[in-house]
Amino acid sequence: GQQVMQIPQYQHVQEGEDFTTYCNSSTTLSNIQWYKQRPGGHPVFLIQLVKSGEVKKQKRLTFQFGEAKKNSSLHITATQTTDVGTYFCAGLMDSNYQLIWGAGTKLIIKP
Amino acid sequence: ETGVTQTPRHLVMGMTNKKSLKCEQHLGHNAMYWYKQSAKKPLELMFVYNFKEQTENNSVPSRFSPECPNSSHLFLHLHTLQPEDSALYLCASSPEGGNTEAFFGQGTRLTVV
Repeated sequence: GQQVMQIPQYQHVQEGEDFTTYCNSSTTLSNIQWYKQRPGGHPVFLIQLVKSGEVKKQKRLTFQFGEAKKNSSLHITATQTTDVGTYFCAGLMDSNYQLIWGAGTKLIIKP
Repeated sequence: ETGVTQTPRHLVMGMTNKKSLKCEQHLGHNAMYWYKQSAKKPLELMFVYNFKEQTENNSVPSRFSPECPNSSHLFLHLHTLQPEDSALYLCASSPEGGNTEAFFGQGTRLTVV
């Protein structure tokens, strides 16, 4: 079936280091959405990318949508403790407008 | 506070019980969703309602039964559940269907014993 693969599953970083999570779809996406879920919380919408090659920034967060609209990435520069949580991508399939979620990448700050 | 309220926050039920989860949104949205979140798995979309009409049912077992009496309220009726149904059940709403930006409730943590 249709899948959105998200890697890595976990990423341990020192505070101040960068973090990146990647999502790849086997089929073309109409758009891709990114969400953040804090520990014990619920997913919170961050951004939606629609255009091929689109890049959007929110302070230290940079979101990219690939040229083929099959992959996307979220990069956080100089992580802070407030960035801790699980980051999910969700891709809207071009073929049937189903929203397929990635498994999430958990950002862990090393003590 | 996201404008989407779920009750109860926690629920423990036996396999022979019948219970209901409730979701209410105060955002004036037209689409509402039920998701299941299990550990180490992607979010699973269960049901979608758009203008009170069910538009998606992703092969969910019949022991889960949704109800959407109006565009602000969504229920998930549960009966004869299995232990593997234990998970976080999340309700979400969006301004319209087509899977636009979703606003999630805080979820109901369900444990089936």
